[in-house]
Amino acid sequence: AQRVTQPEKLLSVFKGAPVELKCNYSYSGSPELFWYVQYSRQRLQLLLRHISRESIKGFTADLNKGETSFHLKKPFAQEEDSAMYYCALHHNAGNMLTFGGGTRLMVKP
Amino acid sequence: DAGVTQSPTHLIKTRGQQVTLRCSPKSGHDTVSWYQQALGQGPQFIFQYYEEEERQRGNFPDRFSGHQFPNYSSELNVNALLLGDSALYLCASSPAGSSYEQYFGPGTRLTVT
Repeated sequence: AQRVTQPEKLLSVFKGAPVELKCNYSYSGSPELFWYVQYSRQRLQLLLRHISRESIKGFTADLNKGETSFHLKKPFAQEEDSAMYYCALHHNAGNMLTFGGGTRLMVKP
Repeated sequence: DAGVTQSPTHLIKTRGQQVTLRCSPKSGHDTVSWYQQALGQGPQFIFQYYEEEERQRGNFPDRFSGHQFPNYSSELNVNALLLGDSALYLCASSPAGSSYEQYFGPGTRLTVT
């Protein structure tokens, strides 16, 4: 069965420090993975997807099929990065997203 | 474009009652998905509607049902409410052929007492 795990409920770093939000998945097919973000008092929105291999707001994520991971990284955290981050797996056959439990990132000044 | 809109914002119901939540998709989108987000958890897929039919369903009982109208708006109905149904219900819309690119609404907070 498909599953997405985010082992950290809360990650707290200082401004300028590197950030890595972990995501592991289990899926029998070829995975499509995404990171969604929810800033305070805003709706859930797409941050990036692995297919595009792009960097959004300085964040990158590499799909590692060997380790079944899709960790989100940023070299220098900013206070405005504080938010809830959700890793999600798209089911090609099912047309639905399976989300992880989320990680709250707090960037301290 | 206001994006995805949902109504009502908040709702309080009693155990055993029935509730209807509403969603209007983003302009140009024809696919609507519903998610339940319990406190402290990630969103969990309930079902998806396309061309007025349920296209995919998650692991939710039949008490959860839905509908999609010709203008692509959608309703989520929950019968015989349980305390455990208390959650934030999210609607997401997507354009045809791109169901991964989902745009979320602000959600409806349902409290069952």
